[in-house]
Amino acid sequence: EAGVTQFPSHSVIEKGQTVTLRCDPISGHDNLYWYRRVMGKEIKFLLHFVKESKQDESGMPNNRFLAERTGGTYSTLKVQPAELEDSGVYFCASSERGRNTIYFGEGSWLTVV
Amino acid sequence: GQNIDQPTEMTATEGAIVQINCTYQTSGFNGLFWYQQHAGEAPTFLSYNVLDGLEEKGRFSSFLSRSKGYSYLLLKELQMKDSASYLCAVRDIRDTGFQKLVFGTGTRLLVSP
Repeated sequence: EAGVTQFPSHSVIEKGQTVTLRCDPISGHDNLYWYRRVMGKEIKFLLHFVKESKQDESGMPNNRFLAERTGGTYSTLKVQPAELEDSGVYFCASSERGRNTIYFGEGSWLTVV
Repeated sequence: GQNIDQPTEMTATEGAIVQINCTYQTSGFNGLFWYQQHAGEAPTFLSYNVLDGLEEKGRFSSFLSRSKGYSYLLLKELQMKDSASYLCAVRDIRDTGFQKLVFGTGTRLLVSP
């Protein structure tokens, strides 16, 4: 069974540009989460989807970040325009409804220069 | 507020036993997770504790004391491949009823021959 997959694995963009990160959760997982780890800091929650609905987006840093999950399958996280402080690793995770185990992807490494 | 503390680094010898401690303060505790993360890879689920006591799974065991806000991960018969970061994460129920994981900064374990 495929795990949580993320694309791209690495991205280097200039300040002011736009980047879109994609996450494919494990098939059948209703819960999808985005987390972020900036250099030297802990992994922090960004938002949580249940199917296509945003349940909690309290961790989104500002309105330059937009997450979508059309159709309740894959999700995208767009950063527009990117700033230097957005550099970090963006993790996607998914879980089955009612289950405790949360599975993480390998992360998308974003560097803004 | 939310606060998760764990040591930054630990070293141990192959074949030995190591205990990684985690203390936490959260407003709404609903379980504690341990994840293992090798550099550049996805965090991998190791254990989940929601009740006090010890959960054993092969060479790895995890303990929880909710009254003390304390957990530890015990690794026995250490192998070189156990060199990784170990992440302590608490599932926090927000006032809204939604849950998210709150992570510590991780403990980097180095196993030497």
